[in-house]
Amino acid sequence: QKEVEQDPGPLSVPEGAIVSLNCTYSNSAFQYFMWYRQYSRKGPELLMYTYSSGNKEDGRFTAQVDKSSKYISLFIRDSQPSDSATYLCAMRAGGTSYGKLTFGQGTILTVHP
Amino acid sequence: DAGVIQSPRHEVTEMGQEVTLRCKPISGHDYLFWYRQTMMRGLELLIYFNNNVPIDDSGMPEDRFSAKMPNASFSTLKIQPSEPRDSAVYFCASSRTSGRGADTQYFGPGTRLTVL
Repeated sequence: QKEVEQDPGPLSVPEGAIVSLNCTYSNSAFQYFMWYRQYSRKGPELLMYTYSSGNKEDGRFTAQVDKSSKYISLFIRDSQPSDSATYLCAMRAGGTSYGKLTFGQGTILTVHP
Repeated sequence: DAGVIQSPRHEVTEMGQEVTLRCKPISGHDYLFWYRQTMMRGLELLIYFNNNVPIDDSGMPEDRFSAKMPNASFSTLKIQPSEPRDSAVYFCASSRTSGRGADTQYFGPGTRLTVL
């Protein structure tokens, strides 16, 4: 069993829809949670970062972490065609494991006009 | 800043040949990471360095893989001998210790490796 599970999709939605992307994990030591966005033929780029449980909002994006359920989510409101990309969740433990990220498989999202 | 620079962008080689991938991190960054991405396995961390010192190489798949970081501005990932199952996109990323626990890793454009 992988430490981080993410539904690869693909997910196709109409412009303006609310998108929900999710990851589950098994390692209770994970404390830092991130979402990276990867456009086709490009490297991933950091989109959202959350420490421990709670919500974080940035414009149309909201990241949620539920450590009790070992479940994280990314919501995209008013989705745009420019949001079409692969979204990867990533996480790591605290302490000396700085830098060692474990990524989900990635979810391919297409937003059509 | 030019961002993380990787070369070559594409590499096609035959099984058994040596392959060397190169990376120049962002100036001032003290962490450097090598990842491999495939459809089957996703994005996997191979090895990472802090201040040019290898910290964790537990993701390196076999002895055929080796990585070096001779100075703060250059790193190589070498595969010798290469095999078809090594075909993947290899990413280099760098980050800077912030003290806040934030992990903004900046990725390069990747090297697409095909081993025939």
